[in-house]
Amino acid sequence: KQEVTQIPAALSVPEGENLVLNCSFTDSAIYNLQWFRQDPGKGLTSLLLIQSSQREQTSGRLNASLDKSSGRSTLYIAASQPGDSATYLCAVSAQTGANNLFFGTGTRLTVIP
Amino acid sequence: NAGVTQTPKFQVLKTGQSMTLQCAQDMNHEYMSWYRQDPGMGLRLIHYSVGAGITDQGEVPNGYNVSRSTTEDFPLRLLSAAPSQTSVYFCASRRRQGSSGNTIYFGEGSWLTVV
Repeated sequence: KQEVTQIPAALSVPEGENLVLNCSFTDSAIYNLQWFRQDPGKGLTSLLLIQSSQREQTSGRLNASLDKSSGRSTLYIAASQPGDSATYLCAVSAQTGANNLFFGTGTRLTVIP
Repeated sequence: NAGVTQTPKFQVLKTGQSMTLQCAQDMNHEYMSWYRQDPGMGLRLIHYSVGAGITDQGEVPNGYNVSRSTTEDFPLRLLSAAPSQTSVYFCASRRRQGSSGNTIYFGEGSWLTVV
């Protein structure tokens, strides 16, 4: 069974700092990987989706990379802002049975003004 | 465009009661699914559907039923609620796998407490 791990579980940074969130997965046979943002009491919002054939995706201040062979992905947030405070989740979709997303438990990010 | 709409937002049930969590999407997505989110655990798939009339079990299906009579709706039924089903439930939808734009859209969640 696919296992997804996110480290650290929580992270506090001062405003303006660049930061990296980590995600690792045990089975490299994935269809794609997604990063989500979850605000307290809310649903998940998709931030970036990386297909298995891609190495990275960028959206504004966010950049996600994927190293499928090593089972790792990183989410880079540039020039962090207090509005970036949220829990960030990564999820992988298996090549077979691609209807299931396997989620990590998330990194809770706090950006201090 | 409302996206994925879940009702109710909050619900308290007594052990043994039954209830239905409603989910509707207006994006004409083929795939719909239900996840539960528990503290210290990632979201886990309960049931999913690849189109009207087709449903299948996910990772944690026991105690739950689903049906998909229309493209828009995918209700989740708790047959006899148990305290272990206390959780936050999320409905999600997306286009069929392989099409451009596989982004998955989530509802805002339903907080269920079973006492």
